[in-house]
Amino acid sequence: DSGVTQTPKHLITATGQRVTLRCSPRSGDLSVYWYQQSLDQGLQFLIQYYNGEERAKGNILERFSAQQFPDLHSELNLSSLELGDSALYFCASSARTWDRTGELFFGEGSRLTVL
Amino acid sequence: GENVEQHPSTLSVQEGDSAVIKCTYSDSASNYFPWYKQELGKGPQLIIDIRSNVGEKKDQRIAVTLNKTAKHFSLHITETQPEDSAVYFCAASRYGGSQGNLIFGKGTKLSVKP
Repeated sequence: DSGVTQTPKHLITATGQRVTLRCSPRSGDLSVYWYQQSLDQGLQFLIQYYNGEERAKGNILERFSAQQFPDLHSELNLSSLELGDSALYFCASSARTWDRTGELFFGEGSRLTVL
Repeated sequence: GENVEQHPSTLSVQEGDSAVIKCTYSDSASNYFPWYKQELGKGPQLIIDIRSNVGEKKDQRIAVTLNKTAKHFSLHITETQPEDSAVYFCAASRYGGSQGNLIFGKGTKLSVKP
């Protein structure tokens, strides 16, 4: 158990809809990362937050947004969903400061299926 | 930005044999190279990492080598066991500065046959 909790584990929705994925980092970790894992693209970095502030952005679509709350949990919002958004979404947390990469602790992921 | 290429995409070995997975990276400023193992239905988990001031690092049956000149690094697993079967990801990043996020390769599915 990595200590990172993601909900929901599975989610099935229709095109055009909006969903929210939730992540609770390990106790004390200030950095939260979101990754998208699809069969043909591997693990794609989406966005990083540190103590409530956005610190790095990867290949995140404009239809996607994220935030980190004062209690350090994070949410990834996916809107106007398309079939191609079907993927496994991972949250990870790290004990390092925002500018130093250390071990990432991954949750078990949220599997999104868009029909 | 950083780009990480990983080969092979699939690898099948007999139990007891060695397995080697290779990665190349593009950003010469990258100096942190971890390897993650992802078992079925779980999130990736760090198994070993290396920083640019070190050429090789070992941890029991696992070793990682780094060639900064050629910008490639490799994972070596000796005496493979069925429980080594998983997807392995290499990654690269700058340790420090404003680019703290890891860029992953596309993964290698390792199958160890008993």
